[in-house]
Amino acid sequence: EVQLVESGGGLVQPGRSLRLSCAASGFTFDDYAMHWVRQAPGKGLEWVSGINWNSGSIGYADSVKGRFTISRDNAKNSLYLQMNSLRAEDTALYFCAKGYSGSYTHLLDYWGQGTLVTVSS
Amino acid sequence: SYELTQPPSVSVSPGQTASITCSGDRLGERYACWYQQKPGQSPVLVIYQDSKRPSGIPERFSGSNSGNTAILTISGTQAMDEADYYCQAWDSSHVVFGGGTKLTVL
Repeated sequence: EVQLVESGGGLVQPGRSLRLSCAASGFTFDDYAMHWVRQAPGKGLEWVSGINWNSGSIGYADSVKGRFTISRDNAKNSLYLQMNSLRAEDTALYFCAKGYSGSYTHLLDYWGQGTLVTVSS
Repeated sequence: SYELTQPPSVSVSPGQTASITCSGDRLGERYACWYQQKPGQSPVLVIYQDSKRPSGIPERFSGSNSGNTAILTISGTQAMDEADYYCQAWDSSHVVFGGGTKLTVL
């Protein structure tokens, strides 16, 4: 059974940093792309970032490019999102999601339960 | 960047057919997929590669994609199908979601 467990969310002041983690199990982690998707309270899904199986190709939404960095550690079956210069509009539930293939430009077939990030002073 | 447009809301009576559209420039030349999200839950993939159903998704869910529009169809809609539905596609460097459609079964 595929399991994705996010952690690292919390309350943070504007301009500060936060690092999210996602622990994956139930599949061969290093065969698949991984993603972060967020959902602001009462709003729709917004793709944040994706990384292919070997970290050789990475993409970001324009809204986070230059501030967020996605990475993965295939030896630890883990995905990360380093979030710097946080803004109030980054407040959202952040989901970790498994890609359908090794490339991140594809669909997302399994999702975690999410970790809540609140940016406020 | 690529954009997908969905109607904010669709209503359907129990047992009837619901259709949710997703529009994008030449969307039919790409694969589209659909997610269902119920309140307080994570999204679940219900249609991929335009019309395929993952294991465990009821047969009443179907999809099509042609021209500029992908359509999610729910036949014999049940109360349990009330949820938000999101279409998704991708380009060479981005994953794109539609804005979501709230399906109300009344």
